[in-house]
Amino acid sequence: DAGVIQSPRHEVTEMGQEVTLRCKPISGHNSLFWYRQTMMRGLELLIYFNNNVPIDDSGMPEDRFSAKMPNASFSTLKIQPSEPRDSAVYFCASSLEGETDTQYFGPGTRLTVL
Amino acid sequence: AQKVTQAQTEISVVEKEDVTLDCVYETRDTTYYLFWYKQPPSGELVFLIRRNSFDEQNEISGRYSWNFQKSTSSFNFTITASQVVDSAVYFCALKAAGNKLTFGGGTRVLVKP
Repeated sequence: DAGVIQSPRHEVTEMGQEVTLRCKPISGHNSLFWYRQTMMRGLELLIYFNNNVPIDDSGMPEDRFSAKMPNASFSTLKIQPSEPRDSAVYFCASSLEGETDTQYFGPGTRLTVL
Repeated sequence: AQKVTQAQTEISVVEKEDVTLDCVYETRDTTYYLFWYKQPPSGELVFLIRRNSFDEQNEISGRYSWNFQKSTSSFNFTITASQVVDSAVYFCALKAAGNKLTFGGGTRVLVKP
């Protein structure tokens, strides 16, 4: 079975550019999470969706960050404009809430903002 | 509020030695879940185990074993007869009320041949 799919795996961009990260959750999962991992702050939850609806976006750093989930099989995390401090690994995870409660992670997108 | 503490930032062992990773958690909820994830050098996060707060039975899976003690709010992880492939960062995580995972800071395990 396919796991969580993320694209791109690596992204290098210049400050001020728009960045869009993509995620396809495991089929049948109804919860989707976006995390950011940095050396300084570890793993932080940015936002999570349940049945395509954003439930908690309190971890989103600022207005430059936005996330959408137009359907059950696709989500995007957008940063505009990007800044060097946004450089991190961004993980997407999904879970089947109410059954296993286990979040399964994608391979991550390593973002470098120059 | 939930909190997970992994006091050991890095552990270095020689192959075939046992290694135990400590995890201490804090929550006021009576129902919660504990997890361990492995992050190898390739970077992905791999789910290892999930435990709910009502099940204190220890678990063994191959060379991996977990010791859950509610009395001390600990969920420790032992790798027996470590191998070089066990070199990774290991994260303990807690999920209480709601759907949010709280991660510890991670413990880097380096297994030398």
